[in-house]
Amino acid sequence: NAGVTQTPKFQVLKTGQSMTLQCAQDMNHEYMSWYRQDPGMGLRLIHYSVGAGITDQGEVPNGYNVSRSTTEDFPLRLLSAAPSQTSVYFCAIGSSIFTDTQYFGPGTRLTVL
Amino acid sequence: KQEVTQIPAALSVPEGENLVLNCSFTDSAIYNLQWFRQDPGKGLTSLLLIQSSQREQTSGRLNASLDKSSGRSTLYIAASQPGDSATYLCAVPTSGTYKYIFGTGTRLKVLA
Repeated sequence: NAGVTQTPKFQVLKTGQSMTLQCAQDMNHEYMSWYRQDPGMGLRLIHYSVGAGITDQGEVPNGYNVSRSTTEDFPLRLLSAAPSQTSVYFCAIGSSIFTDTQYFGPGTRLTVL
Repeated sequence: KQEVTQIPAALSVPEGENLVLNCSFTDSAIYNLQWFRQDPGKGLTSLLLIQSSQREQTSGRLNASLDKSSGRSTLYIAASQPGDSATYLCAVPTSGTYKYIFGTGTRLKVLA
């Protein structure tokens, strides 16, 4: 997990609350992405970015918002939390999805009551 | 649409056994395939990355093979140890996009 930090590690929200999950890297990689991991569902891509100012949707983008103003940071915003968003969230980075290894952060465990 | 499948979902073996984990994908037009390890409550750690032009990659007791034409990859673990107990996942970038698709993983338990 070297080079990728995620905060917070744990979070409990009430339905309807909003929050931002932080992801930061010090490896100067262009590609950053957010996944959620649920039992029996594996990892599913939420949003990704191929560079500062460029973001796109993954498989399950609804209810989430992202922005990429710098190379280093890629925050994930939950606009109005729902119990279905209870999950473990991982941030991943890489210099190129096509040729290089993807590095994962330690994850944020989110519970929405 | 690319789909990635891993069989078996769980595997329990005695220490010292050689074992094979399987990964299948439906679209053979892949750039690469990556194997990861995930320990309980932790993030993913990259084990091996195989480029589409390669047939296999080795790292220590691990060997990963890739057969694009049949849509399959295998992860071979030699002389398994209790410390190998973890969930192993494979993933591929979807052709023409920047999206990574993961299998649901194989949960491995190596008994001492």
